[in-house]
Amino acid sequence: KNQVEQSPQSLIILEGKNCTLQCNYTVSPFSNLRWYKQDTGRGPVSLTIMTFSENTKSNGRYTATLDADTKQSSLHITASQLSDSASYICVVSDRGSTLGRLYFGRGTQLTVWP
Amino acid sequence: EADIYQTPRYLVIGTGKKITLECSQTMGHDKMYWYQQDPGMELHLIHYSYGVNSTEKGDLSSESTVSRIRTEHFPLTLESARPSHTSQYLCASTTDSHYNSPLHFGNGTRLTVT
Repeated sequence: KNQVEQSPQSLIILEGKNCTLQCNYTVSPFSNLRWYKQDTGRGPVSLTIMTFSENTKSNGRYTATLDADTKQSSLHITASQLSDSASYICVVSDRGSTLGRLYFGRGTQLTVWP
Repeated sequence: EADIYQTPRYLVIGTGKKITLECSQTMGHDKMYWYQQDPGMELHLIHYSYGVNSTEKGDLSSESTVSRIRTEHFPLTLESARPSHTSQYLCASTTDSHYNSPLHFGNGTRLTVT
């Protein structure tokens, strides 16, 4: 069964600290993995996409990694800011069908305290 | 920010009423989607469309219907609202059915059925 599991479910850190969010998936055949950020009361916004051949990709203070062998991805946030408080959702796409399909994780709720 | 709009943002309605949630995008995207999102849970696909006059049901059993008469407009209708329909409804669009391009989400409609 294709699944996406995220950990931790929630996380509280102090402003300025770093943190790492995890995503494990069993989706096969794999096409790509995308991290979304969802602010309270808003729709999710894409942060970064990882394809099979990519190991690391950065977007400002966000760095995503992918290990396609172990089917794990992480999102590292450096020097956290209050505006980083949000839900971070891992979404995996398969390539098993003509049209593709998305599998969503339940998200990690990050709270950054001053 | 993506140009996809949902109205209303909040809706409180009594059981048995008919409601329509509006979704419009100005990006010319062919692919549009409706998702249901409950706190702490993954997004569930309710309906999708790959173009005008094309609509399909998603994974989540739903008593709602959709229409796609114009590229930019993808409304969702509940013929008879029930308390079990209380949820957040997110509309999204993209250019690529294989998800190499990101989903662009609206800010959602928070529906409460009393």
